[in-house]
Amino acid sequence: ETGVTQSPTHLIKTRGQQVTLRCSSQSGHNTVSWYQQALGQGPQFIFQYYREEENGRGNFPPRFSGLQFPNYSSELNVNALELDDSALYLCASSPQAGRDTGELFFGEGSRLTVL
Amino acid sequence: GESVGLHLPTLSVQEGDNSIINCAYSNSASDYFIWYKQESGKGPQFIIDIRSNMDKRQGQRVTVLLNKTVKHLSLQIAATQPGDSAVYFCAENRAKAAGNKLTFGGGTRVLVKP
Repeated sequence: ETGVTQSPTHLIKTRGQQVTLRCSSQSGHNTVSWYQQALGQGPQFIFQYYREEENGRGNFPPRFSGLQFPNYSSELNVNALELDDSALYLCASSPQAGRDTGELFFGEGSRLTVL
Repeated sequence: GESVGLHLPTLSVQEGDNSIINCAYSNSASDYFIWYKQESGKGPQFIIDIRSNMDKRQGQRVTVLLNKTVKHLSLQIAATQPGDSAVYFCAENRAKAAGNKLTFGGGTRVLVKP
């Protein structure tokens, strides 16, 4: 069984640029969530995708957007990068959106540095 | 605003001793409370969860206790091992119909001394 994989693992951008991060969900999981984790803090929910549609969003501006593809993989796009966007971006998958427990399967993250 | 938080940022424990990590929450509407472990350079790993209508749940070497009266959650690790060294996060799932949109606390670092 393949776990959640994310790419790239590390990247450096400059302020104002755009970035796309990618995630492949664990086999059999149709729900993907994205979290932002600043250094020394807990992950913060960005949004969740289920059946290729956004299924809930945290307190993040519209320049954070995403996609989910028919194979359940997902992308996180961030436009007009700001210095505060520097963080570890975590993708997590789960079997179904309606499941109300707390078990998510996280990837190892994409470390974004904005200069 | 409402949040999930932790009392102790760092916990140092002797190998073989028991560890207790505490967490306070403020939202009584949460349905599940969860503990995650995050090792350096890795994503969070699910440890155990507890439903809001339960007081205690046990797993392998771990026990989670939920005190709804004082809005307190704790994780007990029995016979702490070097591999338990990590940052531990409590989290809550607030929306029964929304599915797995977690609110995390700030984390506690556990250091296991040999």
